[in-house]
Amino acid sequence: DIVMTQGALPNPVPSGESASITCQSSKSLLHSNGKTYLNWYLQRPGQSPQLLIYWMSTRASGVSDRFSGSGSGTDFTLKISSVEAEDVGVYYCQQFLEYPLTFGSGTKLEIK
Amino acid sequence: QVTLKESGPGILQPSQTLSLTCTFSGFSLSTYGMGVGWIRQPSGKGLEWLANIWWDDDKYYNPSLKNRLTISKDTSNNQAFLKITNVDTADTATYYCARIGDWFAYWGQGTLVTVSS
Repeated sequence: DIVMTQGALPNPVPSGESASITCQSSKSLLHSNGKTYLNWYLQRPGQSPQLLIYWMSTRASGVSDRFSGSGSGTDFTLKISSVEAEDVGVYYCQQFLEYPLTFGSGTKLEIK
Repeated sequence: QVTLKESGPGILQPSQTLSLTCTFSGFSLSTYGMGVGWIRQPSGKGLEWLANIWWDDDKYYNPSLKNRLTISKDTSNNQAFLKITNVDTADTATYYCARIGDWFAYWGQGTLVTVSS
């Protein structure tokens, strides 16, 4: 199984500051088709997860451009520029390269 | 507009079979490339993928659940189903269904399932 390892944030993050969440996979998520099968989700308190980023760096429809994804085959970063109160929640990375599909353990973002 | 809604028994006893239904709209599971996945989340914990079913009836399961899972679909009624046999207290969780492509694009609100004697 591909293991997804997420880093922690130095919470709370001051409002207006940027925050970067890291995720590392135990195997390269770069497919031979050139796409990297790494997705990011945000689960706000009491809500279902929502898709933020797919294929490592493509923002989902309706997602603020304050969110950006980057990385290589095994090391990934979700950057949130100028964090706002609505960004509070748990962020998950997830690989869709191969089965079984796996998620990271989540990174909690708190705002000051 | 894509929507999904999960339904389940709410509470059941150990060793019973859990039957979950995902009723969706805004897409069809007979359309090329479409799929539905099931994910669960114990209270206060992370996300665990369970199973996927695709438009062509291709199915994938999380091997950690050791053959306890069965996923199916009813294309005519826009529903997908998941059965988990021989449940245990460790299966207590919120169960989500989601439309899938190369990602979990749209999620339902989740249904809480409690396994208790």
